[in-house]
Amino acid sequence: EPEVTQTPSHQVTQMGQEVILRCVPISNHLYFYWYRQILGQKVEFLVSFYNNEISEKSEIFDDQFSVERPDGSNFTLKIRSTKLEDSAMYFCASNLGGPETQYFGPGTRLLVL
Amino acid sequence: RKEVEQDPGPFNVPEGATVAFNCTYSNSASQSFFWYRQDCRKEPKLLMSVYSSGNEDGRFTAQLNRASQYISLLIRDSKLSDSATYLCVATKFGSQGNLIFGKGTKLSVKP
Repeated sequence: EPEVTQTPSHQVTQMGQEVILRCVPISNHLYFYWYRQILGQKVEFLVSFYNNEISEKSEIFDDQFSVERPDGSNFTLKIRSTKLEDSAMYFCASNLGGPETQYFGPGTRLLVL
Repeated sequence: RKEVEQDPGPFNVPEGATVAFNCTYSNSASQSFFWYRQDCRKEPKLLMSVYSSGNEDGRFTAQLNRASQYISLLIRDSKLSDSATYLCVATKFGSQGNLIFGKGTKLSVKP
């Protein structure tokens, strides 16, 4: 069964450093998403991406965040200058569109020190 | 007011018990509803979509009441493997599918 994959599974970084989280969505999916989950809190939407551009973003997704689909398979989330409060689990998801089921990757656990 | 609210639990039940989770949503424009399951430190996985007419999948029954803005999940004959956090999820009408999650209800099924 096809699945969404994410790398790395864990990342530790120093405050102020840039991080890039990588995702490989399911190959025939058209919509891609990033969510985050701070420990003990709910899953929060960050951004959705379709046709090589952002289609929707939340208030959390400020200028420190960017997304890119650098090739036909990868979908990345970049945090330019990490803050302590960026420590969270980051989930990538993909689907065929709109109300269709979103399939989540296993997540990248980011720890900012 | 939170967009999607759930009783956080935990619900501690014996194997074989029937357990019900409730969820309310604040935005009447919410379009689609789902129950996801999340195991500890894992990704959310879709359990079932929720339809106005109610729907059943094996031991799981989901119901939606749009007038009351209320969603429920019933688990019958609970198994040890049902132990997880159950997430109530909504989407907004007109959104590109961004999911709005509740904080989740933790279920622990004991032998």
